[in-house]
Amino acid sequence: LAKTTQPISMDSYEGQEVNITCSHNNIATNDYITWYQQFPSQGPRFIIQGYKTKVTNEVASLFIPADRKSSTLSLPRVSLSDTAVYYCLVGDGEAAGNKLTFGGGTRVLVKP
Amino acid sequence: ETGVTQSPTHLIKTRGQQVTLRCSSQSGHNTVSWYQQALGQGPQFIFQYYREEENGRGNFPPRFSGLQFPNYSSELNVNALELDDSALYLCASSSYPPSGRYYEQYFGPGTRLTVT
Repeated sequence: LAKTTQPISMDSYEGQEVNITCSHNNIATNDYITWYQQFPSQGPRFIIQGYKTKVTNEVASLFIPADRKSSTLSLPRVSLSDTAVYYCLVGDGEAAGNKLTFGGGTRVLVKP
Repeated sequence: ETGVTQSPTHLIKTRGQQVTLRCSSQSGHNTVSWYQQALGQGPQFIFQYYREEENGRGNFPPRFSGLQFPNYSSELNVNALELDDSALYLCASSSYPPSGRYYEQYFGPGTRLTVT
């Protein structure tokens, strides 16, 4: 699995857009980029996955440049309830047997 | 559709004891994975069960063992508990082959184990 690097923490304010960038210089051709969100005292929750370009769903957008060596999770107009830890995972689900390897994540604190 | 459930919610054990944690997978899922999450860290993969057999293991000693039952529920057993085993233990279910995205697992709320 490709190693990922993401900021340890970020602060934001309600209504702002939060962008978290994850570096994955050793990403392989078959690797997907997946983001999970974890609230305190809960298990992680899948929020978005992409392979290239841009993916958008009801929760977030994922931007992946052409070289795929990094990706940016964008949370539009955050609210206090978006305070959580966000994990970037990179890997080939099939080869890895769908086993998840989490790093330290990015702690996002949304302030009023 | 029932989500992933885990029991108990909290547990306090003494060093050297044994513990069994339980997990019921989400309806339609046939694979269960267990993770250990120490305070302030990301979850660490312990092992995965598919078709009642261990299907991969992380860097955990043999005193961590598990079972998967025909209804796809699972148990995590830890023998000879150590203080460092204090953590949140998470169970996640998924389907194999994946019906949708790879790496999409559904996590339970976890069991908080404290070893004193």
